[in-house]
Amino acid sequence: GAGVSQSPSNKVTEKGKDVELRCDPISGHTALYWYRQRLGQGLEFLIYFQGNSAPDKSGLPSDRFSAERTGESVSTLTIQRTQQEDSAVYLCASSPQGYYNEQFFGPGTRLTVL
Amino acid sequence: SQQGEEDPQALSIQEGENATMNCSYKTSINNLQWYRQNSGRGLVHLILIRSNEREKHSGRLRVTLDTSKKSSSLLITASRAADTASYFCATGLSGNTPLVFGKGTRLSVIA
Repeated sequence: GAGVSQSPSNKVTEKGKDVELRCDPISGHTALYWYRQRLGQGLEFLIYFQGNSAPDKSGLPSDRFSAERTGESVSTLTIQRTQQEDSAVYLCASSPQGYYNEQFFGPGTRLTVL
Repeated sequence: SQQGEEDPQALSIQEGENATMNCSYKTSINNLQWYRQNSGRGLVHLILIRSNEREKHSGRLRVTLDTSKKSSSLLITASRAADTASYFCATGLSGNTPLVFGKGTRLSVIA
């Protein structure tokens, strides 16, 4: 079946602009995660949605970052007033309901802030 | 934090050799997973080992887990040039809680 998809694949923006990144999880997956990966680094957790529960926003680095999810489908990560340090690959993953949380990743969105 | 830390940071081997990567973590876990990443984009799940398991195999992959030492190893046997990638360990608690990833090992397999 279809995997996790993300759009756009690449985004170049100017400092101070807002950007929206989209994630389409695997159908039926109740959990959805956003991570950030700076060049040559590991994954940094940003936010996590589980079904209809309140999202875990503990990883968001500042109030410029926000995310929404419509039911158990599409999610949008919004970064307002982008800064150069926001440049990174933003990865989305989804996971089915279960005891073990194997995650399925999308290809990521590479964000470059000039 | 239960962050995993892989070592070495980088590993270069000849095709046909075995590659071993290690991961250490700090707190109790439910499971430990290994992922591969090509070209800095999406990660691919390789294998999951539960906290009550000590060893697991999948094809050319062998994973061990020592919960007393809070460490895991990933062995890739008979490596191929296509195995060139970054490998990450990730620790998980029960349910769908977010995984905590290490910084990864960059593996280069030279033909």
